[in-house]
Amino acid sequence: GENVEQHPSTLSVQEGDSAVIKCTYSDSASNYFPWYKQELGKRPQLIIDIRSNVGEKKDQRIAVTLNKTAKHFSLHITETQPEDSAVYFCAASKGGFKTIFGAGTRLFVKA
Amino acid sequence: SAVISQKPSRDICQRGTSLTIQCQVDSQVTMMFWYRQQPGQSLTLIATANQGSEATYESGFVIDKFPISRPNLTFSTLTVSNMSPEDSSIYLCSVWADSGNTIYFGEGSWLTVV
Repeated sequence: GENVEQHPSTLSVQEGDSAVIKCTYSDSASNYFPWYKQELGKRPQLIIDIRSNVGEKKDQRIAVTLNKTAKHFSLHITETQPEDSAVYFCAASKGGFKTIFGAGTRLFVKA
Repeated sequence: SAVISQKPSRDICQRGTSLTIQCQVDSQVTMMFWYRQQPGQSLTLIATANQGSEATYESGFVIDKFPISRPNLTFSTLTVSNMSPEDSSIYLCSVWADSGNTIYFGEGSWLTVV
């Protein structure tokens, strides 16, 4: 079955710097790759997603890239702010048929 | 987007008892899932809730421990049976929303077993 690996497990950056989180997936049939942000005590919230027919997608300070050949995708956050501090999860799915999550990255943005 | 309501939001349960979590969606959805998130961990898929038939369980999860019902396209329940402290987790209902072509989560049910 699908396996998603996520790195790093913890990331600490200075406010204003960029943060990059990387994930790899095993099932080449996966075609949907969402990213979630989870703050303490809250449910995961979708922040951006990308589908397999697209190589890159950007939404303000957040961007995601996908390399289907290498089966990896990355989240890029620019100009980080303290409110970006949270746990981020990548995930892989085959069009809504069971979504498998990475282990998560705890991001600390130091003011 | 899909609005997902979960009940209870939080509960403290005695060892050996069972608890049923309800998930209600404001629109009909094809795919509904149940996830478990143990403290400080990622989300692990328990099962896919199939409308009108038995749920499809992932490796490590069995129907006797986590019976699931899905009587229609907007509602599902997950029961955590014969609970032990190891079952203390957040249980999350999730749906694939055809309208948004993406995945949404309910607020989660925080269970503590004592």
